[in-house]
Amino acid sequence: QKEVEQNSGPLSVPEGAIASLNCTYSDRGSQSFFWYRQYSGKSPELIMFIYSNGDKEDGRFTAQLNKASQYVSLLIRDSQPSDSATYLCALILKRTGRRALTFGSGTRLQVQP
Amino acid sequence: DVKVTQSSRYLVKRTGEKVFLECVQDMDHENMFWYRQDPGLGLRLIYFSYDVKMKEKGDIPEGYSVSREKKERFSLILESASTNQTSMYLCASSMRGNYGYTFGSGTRLTVV
Repeated sequence: QKEVEQNSGPLSVPEGAIASLNCTYSDRGSQSFFWYRQYSGKSPELIMFIYSNGDKEDGRFTAQLNKASQYVSLLIRDSQPSDSATYLCALILKRTGRRALTFGSGTRLQVQP
Repeated sequence: DVKVTQSSRYLVKRTGEKVFLECVQDMDHENMFWYRQDPGLGLRLIYFSYDVKMKEKGDIPEGYSVSREKKERFSLILESASTNQTSMYLCASSMRGNYGYTFGSGTRLTVV
């Protein structure tokens, strides 16, 4: 079982719709969660982080965390073609005590004009 | 802007060669990381470093070593390159206690 699971996609949504990207994790003690965006041929860049249960909003992006169910989501409102990219979920694994991110394999998002 | 520079964008090496991948950051970050990225497998941590001369193994350290003699530079060494080390290698850095990584542009290594 992978530590961080993401559906590889592609997730296809029409322009203006809400894109919902999901991530589940196996280490119940994990505390810190991150979403990175990676455009094709480019390096990942940080979009958001969330540490507490609930929602965290930043512009068109909302991160949602549910530690009891061990999932974290990223919602993108009013999706734009420029949002088309691969979205990587990452977290700090408590069981290793390692101060480095463990990444999922990413979900590819396609926003159709 | 924080800049993380990887010495080569594309590299082709022969099986058995010793390969050096260099990474330099210019913002005095304490933490530096080496990941490899493969289709369907995502980013996998090879090694990381909290400080000069310190290193810790990640998930897939076999066949690799690292060197951090100066704070700004973190080198990844493939002791004897093999074809299964063909991959995109990404270096990243961050401030102590911060997980907002800045990544370099990557080195696509092909071992033939």
